[in-house]
Amino acid sequence: EPEVTQTPSHQVTQMGQEVILRCVPISNHLYFYWYRQILGQKVEFLVSFYNNEISEKSEIFDDQFSVERPDGSNFTLKIRSTKLEDSAMYFCASSVGYGNSPLHFGNGTRLTVT
Amino acid sequence: GENVGLHLPTLSVQEGDNSIINCAYSNSASDYFIWYKQESGKGPQFIIDIRSNMDKRQGQRVTVLLNKTVKHLSLQIAATQPGDSAVYFCAEKAYNTDKLIFGTGTRLQVFP
Repeated sequence: EPEVTQTPSHQVTQMGQEVILRCVPISNHLYFYWYRQILGQKVEFLVSFYNNEISEKSEIFDDQFSVERPDGSNFTLKIRSTKLEDSAMYFCASSVGYGNSPLHFGNGTRLTVT
Repeated sequence: GENVGLHLPTLSVQEGDNSIINCAYSNSASDYFIWYKQESGKGPQFIIDIRSNMDKRQGQRVTVLLNKTVKHLSLQIAATQPGDSAVYFCAEKAYNTDKLIFGTGTRLQVFP
């Protein structure tokens, strides 16, 4: 069964450094998402992406965050200058369509900012 | 895992029994609902979804019930197995947004 894959599984970085989290969505999916889960909290929406542009973003997704689909298979989340509070599990997801189409999630990247 | 520290309600069931996991959602505009299963160290895994024009949907060993009047969703798992042990989340989405809103989750523990 096709799946969303994320790399790395764990990333440790120092405060102020840039990180790029990588995702390969399911190949025939057209909509891409990033969610995060801070330890002990709910899974929360960051951003959605369709047709090479951001479709919707949350208030968490400030100027420090950016997303990109650099080629036909990868989807990345960049955090320009990491803060301690960015430490979380970051989940990439994709869906085949918009609206009532289930999101399929990867296994996440655990980001630890020290 | 990421759910450590979350004050999750826990449902303990014996192997072979049926499980019912409940979820209250908040947004009257939500018209699409999904149940996810999350095992330790993994991402949310899609189980079953339901649209607001339905009140019941069945899958393999799972049934989702939707009561829009009281904004309540439930997941029924038949003949629960040890492999069903995980945290279960409901998620809701309104028609005018891409955003899935996740619930807090329920931890299901299956004992022999």
